[in-house]
Amino acid sequence: GQNIDQPTEMTATEGAIVQINCTYQTSGFNGLFWYQQHAGEAPTFLSYNVLDGLEEKGRFSSFLSRSKGYSYLLLKELQMKDSASYLCAVLDSNYQLIWGAGTKLIIKP
Amino acid sequence: GAVVSQHPSWVICKSGTSVKIECRSLDFQATTMFWYRQFPKQSLMLMATSNEGSKATYEQGVEKDKFLINHASLTLSTLTVTSAHPEDSSFYICSAREGREGVYEQYFGPGTRLTVT
Repeated sequence: GQNIDQPTEMTATEGAIVQINCTYQTSGFNGLFWYQQHAGEAPTFLSYNVLDGLEEKGRFSSFLSRSKGYSYLLLKELQMKDSASYLCAVLDSNYQLIWGAGTKLIIKP
Repeated sequence: GAVVSQHPSWVICKSGTSVKIECRSLDFQATTMFWYRQFPKQSLMLMATSNEGSKATYEQGVEKDKFLINHASLTLSTLTVTSAHPEDSSFYICSAREGREGVYEQYFGPGTRLTVT
């Protein structure tokens, strides 16, 4: 079966750094996405990794290791507005997105 | 770029009536559109995938006669919830993907909150 695991909830402090992990087992792999979703809103695209390594985009970075079936999203200089759910999704062999359950990130002052 | 609109943003309807939700890609052509529903504090659940000009592909457990999907143009897809019941109350979100080779990002509409009384 297809499976994507990420922690249910994480708490971090404003100004700090947090790493949200995602492990996956899917039928085929054509890339991994990270989306941010604020409560009551639709997801917004953050990153797409298809090759191994780290992709940096401002305060957010995303890492992928295909051999380990592992990715992480790194958020630096945390701001209160970063409080949201972060969704990991894998594009499988049929180019269908398989979604993780999301990680709720709580930022404290 | 890559803006997707959804209308209405919220709707309240009576049990037994039908509700139509529109999803439009405003600045790109969406050969594929996706419809999701999301219950509170849960992740996205894909309901169906629609390609322009062809019938939608429904996920297992989703009734195609209840959730009618039409993708008549490259910029518009509609979801009609027929004979709505209170258990259909949910947050419905559409997303759209361009037809360009190698482009797989899905861009989401703002969602429609449906309440069936």
